[in-house]
Amino acid sequence: GAVVSQHPSRVICKSGTSVKIECRSLDFQATTMFWYRQFPKQSLMLMATSNEGSKATYEQGVEKDKFLINHASLTLSTLTVTSAHPEDSSFYICSAMPSGRVGSGNTIYFGEGSWLTVV
Amino acid sequence: GESVGLHLPTLSVQEGDNSIINCAYSNSASDYFIWYKQESGKGPQFIIDIRSNMDKRQGQRVTVLLNKTVKHLSLQIAATQPGDSAVYFCAENNAGNMLTFGGGTRLMVKP
Repeated sequence: GAVVSQHPSRVICKSGTSVKIECRSLDFQATTMFWYRQFPKQSLMLMATSNEGSKATYEQGVEKDKFLINHASLTLSTLTVTSAHPEDSSFYICSAMPSGRVGSGNTIYFGEGSWLTVV
Repeated sequence: GESVGLHLPTLSVQEGDNSIINCAYSNSASDYFIWYKQESGKGPQFIIDIRSNMDKRQGQRVTVLLNKTVKHLSLQIAATQPGDSAVYFCAENNAGNMLTFGGGTRLMVKP
């Protein structure tokens, strides 16, 4: 079964509105979660690193005021796309790992992704 | 910057044959690698991983080979099935818990 859950799986919103996507680790606590964006037929692009209890770290070119990330607990991170525009339409995916250093036996799991369509 | 790349964007194989998906990486500091399978409209699914102190690791029908000399990673799928059709990504870890993804290879299994 899924160890990382995303919600909603699909969302359609009007241009100018905001939409929130949740990422939950189901069986473990995750100090760090990651948010990715993926366009059709392309690889995953890291947007930001979500750190529990502190500010997210954004990748170059990602607008922090547009993509608000909150990691209020060890099992939940949220991505809010503010003032959404059609060009924000994409597949958003989160990932999480049990606290500790990545390595065999402690790997990174992905959520099922969230399709955002801005009309 | 350094990155992970793939040799073949699309691989077409006959059902029952073995598949080999390749990945080249350029960051010699990378010490952990993962292969993910992504089906259309879904998130990446963990397949198998390997640390840099190993050169081979086997799972169920899958084997990952790591050649640190030439910075090459491969995923072998035995007796490929239609359900194996997907996009496969390799990913490397070299700093904290961040992953750098390759461009992906689409595997198409012909019946």
